[in-house]
This record gives sequence, C-alpha cells and structure tokens, in this order.
Amino acid sequence: SQQGEEDPQALSIQEGENATMNCSYKTSINNLQWYRQNSGRGLVHLILIRSNEREKHSGRLRVTLDTSKKSSSLLITASRAADTASYFCAQGGSEKLVFGKGMKLTVNP
Amino acid sequence: DTAVSQTPKYLVTQMGNDKSIKCEQNLGHDTMYWYKQDSKKFLKIMFSYNNKELIINETVPNRFSPKSPDKAHLNLHINSLELGDSAVYFCASSRGQGARPGNTIYFGEGSWLTVV
Repeated sequence: SQQGEEDPQALSIQEGENATMNCSYKTSINNLQWYRQNSGRGLVHLILIRSNEREKHSGRLRVTLDTSKKSSSLLITASRAADTASYFCAQGGSEKLVFGKGMKLTVNP
Repeated sequence: DTAVSQTPKYLVTQMGNDKSIKCEQNLGHDTMYWYKQDSKKFLKIMFSYNNKELIINETVPNRFSPKSPDKAHLNLHINSLELGDSAVYFCASSRGQGARPGNTIYFGEGSWLTVV
C-alpha cells in the first residue's frame, strides 16, 4: 500500500501544550501535505512542504521533512481546544495525493 | 459562499438501491475528485476529472459511475448498493492536475452514506 501512517494514532493533551504528530510514507514524493478534519466535516489543507525543504512554519504550525527517512512531523505549538481534530499527512506526487490513516488529537481545556 | 458543495449530506438507503451524490464547485477549478473515507478514517481517491475528462480511475467497482456534465460539477452515481459501500464520500477540487505546490485540494463537507 502506498498509504503512509501517522503516529501516534491518538493524542490527548492539555491546552497550552505542544502537540507533535509524525508521519511515515513509503514512496518518493514531490511534496508532503498536512490536512485537518474536524469531526463531521471535510478536510482542510494546513501546510505543504516540498521535497527539497527541511522545515516550514505557518503560524503555530511547524512541519519538518526528512526524505532520507521518509518521515515528516507536524508540531502545533500552544495548542487550543479548537485544535481538536483528526490530522492527516498526504504524499503529493505528480498524479495524486495519497493520504495516511489520520491521527486524532484531543486538546483538553 | 461554499466553495465545494455536495448533496445530500446524509443518505440512508437499502441494499440493492441506486443512489446519486451531487457535487459542485464555484472556485473555477479544472480538476475535481471523489474520495471515499471508510469507518477507520482511511481516505482513498476514487476518481479524478480534469475539464470533464476522466484522468484517474482507481480500482473501484463499476457500480460506481462518475459523471461530469461540466467542469464545475462532478456527480457520483452508485448502482446496486452493497453494505460495504457505507462510508463518507468526499468531493474535492483543485486548480489543476497533480498534487503539486499551488494545486491545493479543497474538500466538500462529505456525504454520509449508510446502506442497510
């Protein structure tokens, strides 16, 4: 299967803490993308990192990419209750986006 | 103002029935998709259309037939529904083909299909 995997599968933290989610993938990529899915809603694009980039920031989000290990991490700093959602990494290629399993983040107020 | 809208949001139907899910995007995008998310939250692409032409057709039973009357619409028709078809179906769109920078995929809110 081409699908990647997020790790951990579920994470529960307190508001204000940082949350780190890891993603491993199997095939070569053009880019790696992270999406958020709130319960009962569609996916929303968060951030994209190209294969020749190692780190990228967007607001409270920090993404790293290690192509030698075929892994990426998403760090959410100073988490808020509103960050509670499922997070997906997706491998971007020339043809299509291949999503990982997703990871459930719960931020407790 | 909804960018990608799909209807219905919820659909409960009996095995063997035929049903359709409609999707429209007002983003002016050329490419539209159907994704399926199963009960374990796996999200998998089913079809992709670019300017009304089919470009990706994953291993999907031919009971599933997408139709794109114009580039702003991509409907999904499902014949002879089976229990295993129960899932959330997401329509999505992007400016062009391929999962490249600048080609962000925008998702609809999903259609929850339950086959009983």
